[in-house]
Amino acid sequence: GQQVMQIPQYQHVQEGEDFTTYCNSSTTLSNIQWYKQRPGGHPVFLIQLVKSGEVKKQKRLTFQFGEAKKNSSLHITATQTTDVGTYFCAGLTSGTYKYIFGTGTRLKVLA
Amino acid sequence: KAGVTQTPRYLIKTRGQQVTLSCSPISGHRSVSWYQQTPGQGLQFLFEYFSETQRNKGNFPGRFSGRQFSNSRSEMNVSTLELGDSALYLCASSLNRDDEQYFGPGTRLTVT
Repeated sequence: GQQVMQIPQYQHVQEGEDFTTYCNSSTTLSNIQWYKQRPGGHPVFLIQLVKSGEVKKQKRLTFQFGEAKKNSSLHITATQTTDVGTYFCAGLTSGTYKYIFGTGTRLKVLA
Repeated sequence: KAGVTQTPRYLIKTRGQQVTLSCSPISGHRSVSWYQQTPGQGLQFLFEYFSETQRNKGNFPGRFSGRQFSNSRSEMNVSTLELGDSALYLCASSLNRDDEQYFGPGTRLTVT
């Protein structure tokens, strides 16, 4: 079936270091969304990418959508302790039109 | 604008029982999706409702069902509960299916 893999599963970084998580889909996506879930919380929407090759920035966060619309990445520059949480990508499948969530990357930031 | 609300927040049930969870979307949102979140399987799509119609369904057994009312509020029902149904059930609302999703706080279901 359709899958969205996300790597790495866990990442521990020192505060101030950069962090990147990658999403790869087995099929072409209509769009991709990114969410952040703090421990004990619920997913909170960060951004949506729709166009092939699209790049969007939100302060220290940079999001990319691949040219083939099958992969995406989230890059955080100079992590802070407030960045702690699990980051999920969610791809909207072109054919079946449902959101498939990636497995998530749990980020820990050490002060 | 009030966020997505889910009730109850916590629930403990016994195997074989059934349960109904409720979700009130953000005012004006007509699309409501349900997800199951477990440590092992992550976030898995259950179903999506739009204007009282189920538009999409995930790969869950028929014991999982849902509905949406004319005011966009949604309920999901799980019958004949199994231990493996223990999870956080999240509801998300959006204007349309390809818009950003706003998640509720979830209902933590424990089946004993």
